[in-house]
Amino acid sequence: EAQVTQNPRYLITVTGKKLTVTCSQNMNHEYMSWYRQDPGLGLRQIYYSMNVEVTDKGDVPEGYKVSRKEKRNFPLILESPSPNQTSLYFCASSSTSDLAKNIQYFGAGTRLSVL
Amino acid sequence: AQSVTQLGSHVSVSEGALVLLRCNYSSSVPPYLFWYVQYPNQGLQLLLKYTSAATLVKGINGFEAEFKKSETSFHLTKPSAHMSDAAEYFCAVDSGNTGKLIFGQGTTLQVKP
Repeated sequence: EAQVTQNPRYLITVTGKKLTVTCSQNMNHEYMSWYRQDPGLGLRQIYYSMNVEVTDKGDVPEGYKVSRKEKRNFPLILESPSPNQTSLYFCASSSTSDLAKNIQYFGAGTRLSVL
Repeated sequence: AQSVTQLGSHVSVSEGALVLLRCNYSSSVPPYLFWYVQYPNQGLQLLLKYTSAATLVKGINGFEAEFKKSETSFHLTKPSAHMSDAAEYFCAVDSGNTGKLIFGQGTTLQVKP
């Protein structure tokens, strides 16, 4: 089944403790992206990647890192989480052809709480 | 720069009633517009999209949206609400070639029996 898988789905952590949220897609997509969703703000893009080893900042990249060493994986890294990073995070992916048709596929989300 | 505004963070309708969720956009270029739905504890699912073909776009689950350039609007409608339509709905505009979607604030649809 074609899907975008995020892990974990729920995470509670404390300020300053490094964490990684994984995102994996099995559709051989070139494009992957991370968003955060906050009440009243909709979804805002954190980082995106057009292909392996190609990443770029979105609208709210501060406090986050990403890497794209393999095509299928696009982990989101919080080196020193802070309470303002408490949010719902979504990973998305798309092929080059689907991106041209503005089609993206979203994971189920990761709900992060930083205490 | 593109932006999207959804009017009304919460909309409540009775089962069988018309659903109307409002979205206005701002774009300096012809926009690509989308409606996504998020059911509880699930990811985003594409309902429909406008990509400069027909101005009336039909999507899944009986939803449709009409692109009105003169009003810079892309409102989502469904003639008759079902209980299963209760979810959060997001309007979005494509910002360009990077694939970034700019989302509205979201509208939570409540359907009352």
